[in-house]
Amino acid sequence: GAVVSQHPSWVICKSGTSVKIECRSLDFQATTMFWYRQFPKQSLMLMATSNEGSKATYEQGVEKDKFLINHASLTLSTLTVTSAHPEDSSFYICSARVQGFNYGYTFGSGTRLTVV
Amino acid sequence: KNQVEQSPQSLIILEGKNCTLQCNYTVSPFSNLRWYKQDTGRGPVSLTIMTFSENTKSNGRYTATLDADTKQSSLHITASQLSDSASYICVGPPAGANNLFFGTGTRLTVIP
Repeated sequence: GAVVSQHPSWVICKSGTSVKIECRSLDFQATTMFWYRQFPKQSLMLMATSNEGSKATYEQGVEKDKFLINHASLTLSTLTVTSAHPEDSSFYICSARVQGFNYGYTFGSGTRLTVV
Repeated sequence: KNQVEQSPQSLIILEGKNCTLQCNYTVSPFSNLRWYKQDTGRGPVSLTIMTFSENTKSNGRYTATLDADTKQSSLHITASQLSDSASYICVGPPAGANNLFFGTGTRLTVIP
């Protein structure tokens, strides 16, 4: 149980275009979801915390107008990278907090974004 | 300052051998400590979750230990397999908070 599905697994887009990444909780309701960014050989960096039905909370240094987060339902959160640039190329991972201690946090499989 | 430090940064071992990865944390207050396995290009997958009252927890060939006094944890992998090649991340969430403190990970490579 407690599966988080993330799509797409990889995407290539042109500079200036927007890309949407979806994160779905398949068998549980996720009140809170998290979006991370990971550069090669580095640890995950929290970008924002997404709460269902309210505005996301962004970490310091993360542009909220560039990385739009929507958490309109208990099973879906989306991250839209707007006007993408090559420096936005990275590995993006979502995570959901699962009720009950034994599960904790479940991660999506990640999305490799390449902006050309 | 909340921190999670891991060692070694990278490790290469022969298939079938055992290895131990280390994690030192200063996360406070302490809630639980987690070990995740992250394959290249994939999201992290949970291996173990330990509270301060647990000294050891196993998940198949993975055994995690926790010393709350010294704030150290280790992940022991027995009879390594090629599929164990991955990054192993130690994660410590503070009690009552949503944010996770990630270690920088240990990159393990198992060679035949």
